[in-house]
Amino acid sequence: AQSVSQHNHHVILSEAASLELGCNYSYGGTVNLFWYVQYPGQHLQLLLKYFSGDPLVKGIKGFEAEFIKSKFSFNLRKPSVQWSDTAEYFCAALNYGGSQGNLIFGKGTKLSVKP
Amino acid sequence: DTEVTQTPKHLVMGMTNKKSLKCEQHMGHRAMYWYKQKAKKPPELMFVYSYEKLSINESVPSRFSPECPNSSLLNLHLHALQPEDSALYLCASSVRTSGLGTDTQYFGPGTRLTVL
Repeated sequence: AQSVSQHNHHVILSEAASLELGCNYSYGGTVNLFWYVQYPGQHLQLLLKYFSGDPLVKGIKGFEAEFIKSKFSFNLRKPSVQWSDTAEYFCAALNYGGSQGNLIFGKGTKLSVKP
Repeated sequence: DTEVTQTPKHLVMGMTNKKSLKCEQHMGHRAMYWYKQKAKKPPELMFVYSYEKLSINESVPSRFSPECPNSSLLNLHLHALQPEDSALYLCASSVRTSGLGTDTQYFGPGTRLTVL
C-alpha cells in the first residue's frame, strides 16, 4: 500500500535558521507530490507541488522542495525561517493513474520557530 | 481564485440530532472531497465525488451521508453520530479526478464538529 512518511514529528528552530523537513513516499509508479501547510487555527494551504519536469520546485513564501526519484524523497526546504512559519506541515502524494482522488498524507511535522 | 467555502465553521450536536455540513466552490471543479481530521493527525479521506457521482467511499459508517446536488455544492448529512466523530471536517475540490494526477486539491477552512 502507498504511504507517505515524515520523519520529524516536531522541529524547533530559531528565526533565520535553515529548514529541511523530510518526506518519503512508497510507490513505484509515477506520483505527484505536494506540501501543504496548516497555520494555527487555519485551513490547509498548498505550499508547492511537483508533477514533472524540474525536480526542484519553488513554492510560496520562500519554500522549495526537491524531488529525488532514486530516494523516493520530496524534502521541503527554506533557507531562513521566520516566526510566522510556525505551523504544521503535511507532505502528500497523489498516485498517478490509480484510485481516483486518493491523496495520501504523511503524519505531519509541527514546526515551531522561536523569535 | 482558489476558494472553497464551508459552513458552518463550528457545530455542536447531540447524538440524536440530524445536521448537515455544506461545502461550495465556484472554480468549475468537477471533483469534490470530504476529509476528516482529528487533532494532531493528517486528514483522512472519506468520500470523493467526480462529476456529481460518488466515486470513492472509504468505508465510512452510514451515519455519514454525502450528497452532491450540483457541480458546485457538496453536503455531508450527519445522523446519530458518536462522540468519537468529533473532528474537523474538511472539504476539498480539484479540477477532476482523472487519475492523470495533475489535479491539485484545494481545501476549505473546515467545520469543527463536536458531538456531545
